[in-house]
Amino acid sequence: EIVMTQSPATLSVSPGERATLSCRASQSVSSKLAWYQQKPGQAPRLLIYGASTRATGIPARFSGSGSGTEFTLTISSLQSEDFAVYYCQQYNNWPPVTFGPGTKVDIK
Amino acid sequence: QVQLVESGGGVVQPGRSLRLSCAASGFTFSNFGMHWVRQAPGKGLEWVAVISYDGSSKYYADSVKGRFTISRDNSKNTLYLQMNSLRAEDTAVYYCAKSGATYYFDCWGQGTLVTVSS
Repeated sequence: EIVMTQSPATLSVSPGERATLSCRASQSVSSKLAWYQQKPGQAPRLLIYGASTRATGIPARFSGSGSGTEFTLTISSLQSEDFAVYYCQQYNNWPPVTFGPGTKVDIK
Repeated sequence: QVQLVESGGGVVQPGRSLRLSCAASGFTFSNFGMHWVRQAPGKGLEWVAVISYDGSSKYYADSVKGRFTISRDNSKNTLYLQMNSLRAEDTAVYYCAKSGATYYFDCWGQGTLVTVSS
C-alpha cells in the first residue's frame, strides 16, 4: 500500500497571499495524483487530477505540479472561500487508493 | 447536473448490519465505476470499496473485506453498500463517489452518517 504524507499539517495564510501545500508518496505514483478541498460539514470536492489538470469549474488560482513522489498544490491568491482542508490522493497503485492526512489552511 | 444522494445511515449496535444506498442522476450511471469512501469523525478520508461499471469487478479495503459488500443496480441508477458485523471503528460519514476517467473521484454525495454504538 502506498502511504501518502502531507505537509504542513496546518498552514496559516492571510487573504490574498500565496499558499503552497506539499504531498509526498512512499513510492512513485507517476502523475496519478488528485487534490480535493473539503469545507466543514461538506463533502470533498475535486480540484486537480493527473497532478496538474484542473477539474471542471475550478478557478485558475489553483494549480498542481509534480510527478513521481513529490507533488505541490498552489493557491496563488487566497480567497475567503479557500480556507478549508486539502487532501491529496494517489490512484496509480490500487487497491487501495490512498489519501494523505490533509492540510488545513486557516486564516492568519 | 451530476447528483449523488446517499441514504440508509443511522445508529446500529455492534455486530449488526446496515445497508446504504446511493441514488445517482445527471449522468449515465452504467458507464462509470463507483466507490464508497468514509470519514470517521474529525479524521481523514478512507477509501472503502469500488465496483466496476457493470458490477463484474469489486475491490475492498482490508479493513472491511469479508464484512462489507458493494453492489449496484444499473436499472435503478443506484449503488449499495451492505455492511455486516459492524464495529465501533466503522463509525463514519459514508460518501458515495463517482470515478473519473480512472480512480479519482469527480463527484461526491453529501454523505450519510453511520454510528456503531451499544
